[in-house]
Amino acid sequence: AQSVSQHNHHVILSEAASLELGCNYSYGGTVNLFWYVQYPGQHLQLLLKYFSGDPLVKGIKGFEAEFIKSKFSFNLRKPSVQWSDTAEYFCAAQGSSASKIIFGSGTRLSIRP
Amino acid sequence: EAQVTQNPRYLITVTGKKLTVTCSQNMNHEYMSWYRQDPGLGLRQIYYSMNVEVTDKGDVPEGYKVSRKEKRNFPLILESPSPNQTSLYFCASSLYPSGTPGQETQYFGPGTRLLVL
Repeated sequence: AQSVSQHNHHVILSEAASLELGCNYSYGGTVNLFWYVQYPGQHLQLLLKYFSGDPLVKGIKGFEAEFIKSKFSFNLRKPSVQWSDTAEYFCAAQGSSASKIIFGSGTRLSIRP
Repeated sequence: EAQVTQNPRYLITVTGKKLTVTCSQNMNHEYMSWYRQDPGLGLRQIYYSMNVEVTDKGDVPEGYKVSRKEKRNFPLILESPSPNQTSLYFCASSLYPSGTPGQETQYFGPGTRLLVL
């Protein structure tokens, strides 16, 4: 069955620390991958996406993600987090010919000032 | 300004009382979708629509209905709400069905928080 797993439910970091949020997917065939961010009280916004090509994808606000096909992973990274990165982060996956997107359960990121 | 709007933003209702949550987009998008967000479960797709008069079930369609009579509107209907439908609901739209390179970004509405007593 198609699924997206985010194993870190809540991550707490200090400002300037490096961030890596895990995302693993289970999909047959070609897959499109996304990371969305939801700031407190706001709707989801797209951080970055991977469809094909360079497996290292750069997104907005200094975020990047690496698609590792052999590991079925699409981890999100940021070298130095800021307090304003406090939010919930969702990984999502989609089969290339489907319109249904499956989201992970989300990772809440808290940054200590 | 390009946006997806939802109304109401907050709603408290009682079991069995029919309600409709509206969703409207001003970007002439073909694809629209409804999700519910629950703690620990992330977002789950309820229904989606590829175009006018074309709708299909997502992962959790039970207890919901949708319609797509016009391109800009995609209302979510709860004919007989139950407490397990208490949730945060998001509408989203995109220009083409997701999966078309370059046209896949979904725009999300601000959310509707529903409490069913």
